[in-house]
Amino acid sequence: QVQLQESGPGLVKPSDTLSLTCAVSGDSISSNNWWGWIRQPPGKGLEWIGYMYYSGSTYYNPSLKSRVTMSVDTSKNQFSLKLSSVTAVDTAVYYCARCVSYDFWSGNIWFDPWGQGTLVTVSS
Amino acid sequence: SYELTQPPSVSVSPGQTASITCSGDKLGDKYPCWYQQRPGQSPVLVIYQDTKRPSGIPERFSGSSSGNTATLTISGTQPMDEADYYCQAWDRSTVGVVFGGGTKLTVL
Repeated sequence: QVQLQESGPGLVKPSDTLSLTCAVSGDSISSNNWWGWIRQPPGKGLEWIGYMYYSGSTYYNPSLKSRVTMSVDTSKNQFSLKLSSVTAVDTAVYYCARCVSYDFWSGNIWFDPWGQGTLVTVSS
Repeated sequence: SYELTQPPSVSVSPGQTASITCSGDKLGDKYPCWYQQRPGQSPVLVIYQDTKRPSGIPERFSGSSSGNTATLTISGTQPMDEADYYCQAWDRSTVGVVFGGGTKLTVL
C-alpha cells in the first residue's frame, strides 16, 4: 500500500520561504512515476503546483513558476517543495501525491494516492 | 491557459442518479479523471483514463466523455457520496495539470 506523508512548519511569515517534505512508503521514488504537489486554500478548490521525476525533470504551474522549487532525495525516498516570498494568499492545505501515467506525454495521467495534507498558514 | 468548468453544485435524492459535468476545449481527447473529496479529507481518485475505476471504488461510479464535455455519473446515489468532486485534465501547452473548480454534490 502506497502512502505519502507531508511534513513541515504549519506557520510561515510573509516574505519567507515555505518548505515541505513528502515521505513516500510502499513505492520507490525512483519508479516510473512523477511526484506532485497540489494545494487547496481554505474553502476553495484544488490548484496544481507542480511535479517532478526522480531524474530531476520538473514542471511547474506557470502562475507559481518563479517562486517554486522541487527536489528529490532518493536516499530517503522523499521529495520536497519550496515556495519563496510567500504572502497570505499562499495559505492553504498542501498535498503531495503520486502522479501515475499510462502515457505521460499524451496527458494520460492522474494523482493516486494523495497524502493527508498539511495546513500552512502565512502570517506574522 | 486551459480551463475546466464545473457546476458549483448538484443535488440528488438518495437512490437516484447524479451527473456531474466538466467542460473544456476538446476535453474528450485529454483522458479526464475525477476525484472525490469528503469534508476534511484528502481527494480520492474515483475515475481515471476517462472511464476506468480504481480498485475499491464502487461500481455505481462511472465516467464518460465526448467532445468538450466529461461526465461523472453516480448511479443509485448514497448519502455517503455527498462530497466535492473535481475533474482534472492535462494541458499540453504547460505540460501541467488543470483542475475544475469543483462541484458540491448534495444528497437529500
